[in-house]
Amino acid sequence: EVQLVQSGPEVKKPGESLRISCKGSGYSFTNYWISWVRQMPGKGLERMGRIEPSDSYTHYSPSFQGHVTISVDRSISTAYLQWSSLKASDTAMYYCARWRAYCTSTTCHYDPFDIWGQGTTVTVSS
Amino acid sequence: EIVLTQSPGTLSLSPGERATLSCRASESVGSNSLAWYQQKPGQAPRLLIFGASSRATGIPDRFSGSGSGTDFILTISRLEPEDFAVYYCQQYGSLPETFGQGTNLEIK
Repeated sequence: EVQLVQSGPEVKKPGESLRISCKGSGYSFTNYWISWVRQMPGKGLERMGRIEPSDSYTHYSPSFQGHVTISVDRSISTAYLQWSSLKASDTAMYYCARWRAYCTSTTCHYDPFDIWGQGTTVTVSS
Repeated sequence: EIVLTQSPGTLSLSPGERATLSCRASESVGSNSLAWYQQKPGQAPRLLIFGASSRATGIPDRFSGSGSGTDFILTISRLEPEDFAVYYCQQYGSLPETFGQGTNLEIK
């Protein structure tokens, strides 16, 4: 079965660091990109950024650039989202999702997010 | 980046009725690379429609997508109780991929 399994809920204090994970199974992990999506309580889906596991290339949305780091460990088919200093405003549900790009020498086409992780709740409170 | 605007924000209907949800893009979506996702409370989003009109695996045929360019529609022909949820559109034709703000489909 193709799936993304995320790490469990986290409760942290402001200023603390955190790393959450997203483990892929049932498919070739390096053939698909992983994006992270934030959903604040009662709000919509916000794209945070993506990683291309084949070469660890990352791209961040401007709103998240410099505040989070996305990484990958290909040996264990796992992507990570980490914070060095959490804020109360980081309280949210975080999802990972996989998708794919098909590129020629001149253009790329993309697939949608076909598999999502179950989500990781992060609560930041003093 | 392409901005997606969904309407209405909330849609109140009864089971058995037809639902029509709209997603408008700020510029043309490349290759009609427009997806719809369903999210129920406490669950991750689920892919319903991709390529503007293709149903994902296991999605009932009461769900259909249409449109091209900048205007897209998700239609649910006869609402079942389990269809009441939040629906998001996403364009993935050009990077960065972007989401609409969602339509909350609620029971009237």
